[in-house]
Amino acid sequence: DAGVIQSPRHEVTEMGQEVTLRCKPISGHDYLFWYRQTMMRGLELLIYFNNNVPIDDSGMPEDRFSAKMPNASFSTLKIQPSEPRDSAVYFCASSQGDEQYFGPGTRLTVT
Amino acid sequence: DAKTTQPNSMESNEEEPVHLPCNHSTISGTDYIHWYRQLPSQGPEYVIHGLTSNVNNRMASLAIAEDRKSSTLILHRATLRDAAVYYCIRTGFQKLVFGTGTRLLVSP
Repeated sequence: DAGVIQSPRHEVTEMGQEVTLRCKPISGHDYLFWYRQTMMRGLELLIYFNNNVPIDDSGMPEDRFSAKMPNASFSTLKIQPSEPRDSAVYFCASSQGDEQYFGPGTRLTVT
Repeated sequence: DAKTTQPNSMESNEEEPVHLPCNHSTISGTDYIHWYRQLPSQGPEYVIHGLTSNVNNRMASLAIAEDRKSSTLILHRATLRDAAVYYCIRTGFQKLVFGTGTRLLVSP
């Protein structure tokens, strides 16, 4: 299995632009998670899905952030408009039980 | 609120055992104790988890205190590849709240 796949691996964009991060979970996993990691705040859970349905989005920082999971094999995290403080590494993880498997992350830089 | 307390850093020599402590004094009866680690420039990686009994797997052992207010992750023989940040997490179901973890330094 290829593991959790995230794209792009690096994204540099200007303030105000829309950013879309993509995630392909491990086949057969019914939970999908989006995390953000910064030096200041550490690893934070943003949102998670079960069977493509959002279960808990209490970690989403504000309305500029949105996440979708149109099917079991794909999810997106969108930031519109992006701001410099959104610069972070964004991780996607999937699970079918107790263990979460993390992707390699997308490093986002907003200038 | 991570609700666990870990030392900021620990050091070990290669080939020696490492005991990483974690305090979770307010743990509820249904919370599991999970350990993840994060190697440099990588996503977190599952290590082990348990509820009440001690647990062993190919990566590590988890020793849980009888009152469940603390636990210890045991790496039996540290290697250079074990240098990482280790996170102890208490969770009821799926939702992981990461604290600051323990940075493990391994010297040759």
